[in-house]
Amino acid sequence: IAGITQAPTSQILAAGRRMTLRCTQDMRHNAMYWYRQDLGLGLRLIHYSNTAGTTGKGEVPDGYSVSRANTDDFPLTLASAVPSQTSVYFCASSTGLAGGPDTQYFGPGTRLTVL
Amino acid sequence: GQNIDQPTEMTATEGAIVQINCTYQTSGFNGLFWYQQHAGEAPTFLSYNVLDGLEEKGRFSSFLSRSKGYSYLLLKELQMKDSASYLCAVRDSNYQLIWGAGTKLIIKP
Repeated sequence: IAGITQAPTSQILAAGRRMTLRCTQDMRHNAMYWYRQDLGLGLRLIHYSNTAGTTGKGEVPDGYSVSRANTDDFPLTLASAVPSQTSVYFCASSTGLAGGPDTQYFGPGTRLTVL
Repeated sequence: GQNIDQPTEMTATEGAIVQINCTYQTSGFNGLFWYQQHAGEAPTFLSYNVLDGLEEKGRFSSFLSRSKGYSYLLLKELQMKDSASYLCAVRDSNYQLIWGAGTKLIIKP
């Protein structure tokens, strides 16, 4: 593994189903993030984690949950998918260290369609 | 509310120069980022400005004026591979990135 990986690449899901999007990074970054990207809108933060064992809510957290059991993994779960959750989901990570740019690096994304 | 504005789309000619503007209104400021995103791919980091002035990195330069809430990305010697969306993002007082909708740049031969 090099960088950030996400799985699946794409998924078609029936409304009401539960779905977990996986994200793994091998850069030993402290901070991880989940965004959704919709046409005509900027990336919107769903949830984030500043370090293993902690999580926080972003701009659009409703309908989503996350966990951060270890440094490398940050899964995003849709408990009961709805069509408005159709989007491209990006996971990102950063060192989480203050005093510098703390640049975020992105995974390849998961394209999710909820019917 | 917080707001990042960028033009939706721009067109330029191969070999030319293009300037993509970004204006922002955010609660606090802790740096401004530019990312490039090719269609169907992930955003990739281009530049970071936290102090006023110009940061140059090869064919790409980024400028920041904090007093005006304004930045631009300057791309020189345009190549066809520069056809992409360019995303402006500001880190706010909560240390979260607020993103613009992106500028789609079309390069014509």
